[in-house]
Amino acid sequence: GAVVSQHPSWVICKSGTSVKIECRSLDFQATTMFWYRQFPKQSLMLMATSNEGSKATYEQGVEKDKFLINHASLTLSTLTVTSAHPEDSSFYICTPNTGGLVNTEAFFGQGTRLTVV
Amino acid sequence: AQSVAQPEDQVNVAEGNPLTVKCTYSVSGNPYLFWYVQYPNRGLQFLLKYITGDNLVKGSYGFEAEFNKSQTSFHLKKPSALVSDSALYFCAVRDWNTGRRALTFGSGTRLQVQP
Repeated sequence: GAVVSQHPSWVICKSGTSVKIECRSLDFQATTMFWYRQFPKQSLMLMATSNEGSKATYEQGVEKDKFLINHASLTLSTLTVTSAHPEDSSFYICTPNTGGLVNTEAFFGQGTRLTVV
Repeated sequence: AQSVAQPEDQVNVAEGNPLTVKCTYSVSGNPYLFWYVQYPNRGLQFLLKYITGDNLVKGSYGFEAEFNKSQTSFHLKKPSALVSDSALYFCAVRDWNTGRRALTFGSGTRLQVQP
């Protein structure tokens, strides 16, 4: 299966600052990356889909100007939380679209725990 | 729209006893169903999937799941629970007919196995 590396694993930042989260597909060329967010004791909610070489698509209710997504290459997608606020504190996790095969399981990064103070 | 329901927030079971974590789904076409496990502050680990074929699917760490089309369920089971199985379990579905390639997750069930 695909090996996905996410960095950092955890980060604490001050309110108003920006934080960049990297998601690397180490052994798979990912034209598409899915970004999820998980609030404490809640499920994973799809935030956005990044596409290599084009704009990301965002789920309803997700602010694209706040959550900047860049998919610069087939192995790297980044999520930048701009002007972070305490309510942005969450667990962010990525997974590449593994060829679009419907029966293929998804492989996830280890996630990033963001705490905004 | 595709959706998954996990009716139990938490399941408690004694070590050595069988465990069941429930999941029901709703899709417009053929369901492709998955179970994942999450340990604290970690990513999701794949356990097993149902695509087609036998309704009983065997996966990692001794887990299995039974697909029941008439009841639209895909319950996760294990004959004998271990303390190390304590974690958060997610059921997920992908409905190709919708063109949505991202997984849709259930709300998660916390499994607590007591020694």
